[in-house]
Amino acid sequence: DVVLTQTPPTLSATIGQSVSISCRSSQSLLHSNGNTYLNWLLQRPGQPPQLLIYLVSRLESGVPNRFSGSGSGTDFTLKISGVEAEDLGVYYCVQSTHAPYTFGAGTKLELK
Amino acid sequence: QVQLKESGPVLVQASETLSLTCTVSGFSLTNYGVIWVRQPPGKGLEWMGIIWRNGNTDYNSALKSRLSINRDTSKSQVFLKMNSLQTDDTAIYYCTRVPPNYYSSYIPFDYWGQGVMVTVSS
Repeated sequence: DVVLTQTPPTLSATIGQSVSISCRSSQSLLHSNGNTYLNWLLQRPGQPPQLLIYLVSRLESGVPNRFSGSGSGTDFTLKISGVEAEDLGVYYCVQSTHAPYTFGAGTKLELK
Repeated sequence: QVQLKESGPVLVQASETLSLTCTVSGFSLTNYGVIWVRQPPGKGLEWMGIIWRNGNTDYNSALKSRLSINRDTSKSQVFLKMNSLQTDDTAIYYCTRVPPNYYSSYIPFDYWGQGVMVTVSS
């Protein structure tokens, strides 16, 4: 199974600060069809996860454009340009290139 | 309006079998796969398995021997069964959907159920 390694496990930020989360895969997430199925979710406390970004860099409808995704192959990054209070929670990368799909262990974003 | 809703017992005895249902609306199970995901208290998300739009299944290697996922397309329901439960199976169980990888408008994990908290008692 594909292993996704997220770093850091915890991130402390002030409001307005820009932060990045890394997700590294144990194998390439480039599908034979040319797409890379790496996605990012946010789980706020007491809530189910919600989709932020899919196919590496595509923003889900309604997600603020301070969120951006980048990367290719095995290395991916989620960036938040100017953290807001509503961004606090746990961020997960999840790959849907290879079955079984797998999640990263999560990165908890806290207020400093 | 797309919705997914998990249902099932909230308390199960160790060694017994867990049966959960994910009832969907607003889309067809013949167009989307449905994934089961669980989350032990205070821990991360674990991908359990998927039933694809064609009815085929894939399972987490660690759970494969205990887990089965089936569906009733006429009732828009997906069923999870997991046997030989242990206390570390205590978790919130979620279902979510994914389209086939070849969909031009591929947007996975866009809708989730609220989850059902299952406690396994010894």
